[in-house]
Amino acid sequence: GAGVSQSPSNKVTEKGKDVELRCDPISGHTALYWYRQSLGQGLEFLIYFQGNSAPDKSGLPSDRFSAERTGGSVSTLTIQRTQQEDSAVYLCASSRGNPTGELFFGEGSRLTVL
Amino acid sequence: SQQGEEDPQALSIQEGENATMNCSYKTSINNLQWYRQNSGRGLVHLILIRSNEREKHSGRLRVTLDTSKKSSSLLITASRAADTASYFCATVYGGATNKLIFGTGTLLAVQP
Repeated sequence: GAGVSQSPSNKVTEKGKDVELRCDPISGHTALYWYRQSLGQGLEFLIYFQGNSAPDKSGLPSDRFSAERTGGSVSTLTIQRTQQEDSAVYLCASSRGNPTGELFFGEGSRLTVL
Repeated sequence: SQQGEEDPQALSIQEGENATMNCSYKTSINNLQWYRQNSGRGLVHLILIRSNEREKHSGRLRVTLDTSKKSSSLLITASRAADTASYFCATVYGGATNKLIFGTGTLLAVQP
């Protein structure tokens, strides 16, 4: 597709369950970012990929959070044993990976943990 | 936190007026970008200003950058109701990564 695609757009889960969020970046974009945004808040950086490697995963809140990127394309953010405080919109963005860094965002995945 | 901060947090103006939002950041940067977000979903890139630039224009948008004060401002002229959104600044820090860190955002409401 022409833009960044995220799925699911909405996910409701029970506390303690695992969830996977998927991001399909713009074709040819080498850099991929995950952010989290709680209601009415700014964007919290989670992790950044350049190709398949993650030079910076400093924003992952706990070891329950992990992310991978395969083939320099699709990325999956996994949250294990979800907690209510994980409820947020998870935003993915991609860029050409050059230092100018303009990001193209998906519409986000809204996660609600009951 | 490396996060920048915008002020004001919220701004309400009438259509036709100008809106000014400010952003402050903490360390040296490669560039600074402004993004817009409608209804808490995806962000849209508005404008990028490099660290060696002082002012940039794009349509009704004017961005300034003062690296000595570590601050930037976004001016929207002749605002429209459709400009109602949240506006975020974001900075790319130097170093080994191209991590883009976002500020806290300004919620702009333009009254028709």
